[in-house]
Amino acid sequence: DQQVKQNSPSLSVQEGRISILNCDYTNSMFDYFLWYKKYPAEGPTFLISISSIKDKNEDGRFTVFLNKSAKHLSLHIVPSQPGDSAVYFCAAIRGAQKLVFGQGTRLTINP
Amino acid sequence: DGGITQSPKYLFRKEGQNVTLSCEQNLNHDAMYWYRQDPGQGLRLIYYSQIVNDFQKGDIAEGYSVSREKKESFPLTVTSAQKNPTAFYLCASSTAVSGANVLTFGAGSRLTVL
Repeated sequence: DQQVKQNSPSLSVQEGRISILNCDYTNSMFDYFLWYKKYPAEGPTFLISISSIKDKNEDGRFTVFLNKSAKHLSLHIVPSQPGDSAVYFCAAIRGAQKLVFGQGTRLTINP
Repeated sequence: DGGITQSPKYLFRKEGQNVTLSCEQNLNHDAMYWYRQDPGQGLRLIYYSQIVNDFQKGDIAEGYSVSREKKESFPLTVTSAQKNPTAFYLCASSTAVSGANVLTFGAGSRLTVL
């Protein structure tokens, strides 16, 4: 049972434009949602998180939006830069339980 | 410089052999994890340990074994019982940041079965 889903395996965006990465979840009991960024042959690095009691969290060029009624979250990157090209994973957690990851979306920023 | 060290970075194994992947952290984190990454399947949890001398199976533990004798170390053994061991293996440790369980990952180990 895939509790966290990223339905777009890949996304291509022009440099300077907005990148929007989407994630859906099924478990309404999740407390926190996180986004990780991963370059090839490296470990993922934490990017940004949001509590389930909030609907928006911003950190520089990165903003995460949470729509609890739709069980949907999205990561916005504005403006997109070539260094943002990577695989992005969303993840969710409930209490002290383990993180559940989505399948990942490969973002490519075109010059 | 604190972090997680995984070794080896690349490993080749013949069918029927056991191999052990090393994971060491100097972050003083209590919890450690092993994930496996396959194309199109994201990160799947193999085993995790929240304290020394204790560990739990994740979603795909069959064919794997772990130990947690020291807080800093969480080695993963890929046994011959693992039917499809070729993958990228990631070790992580965790702390709570603003209530979220943020994982810090190592650089990964790529295992190829010949």
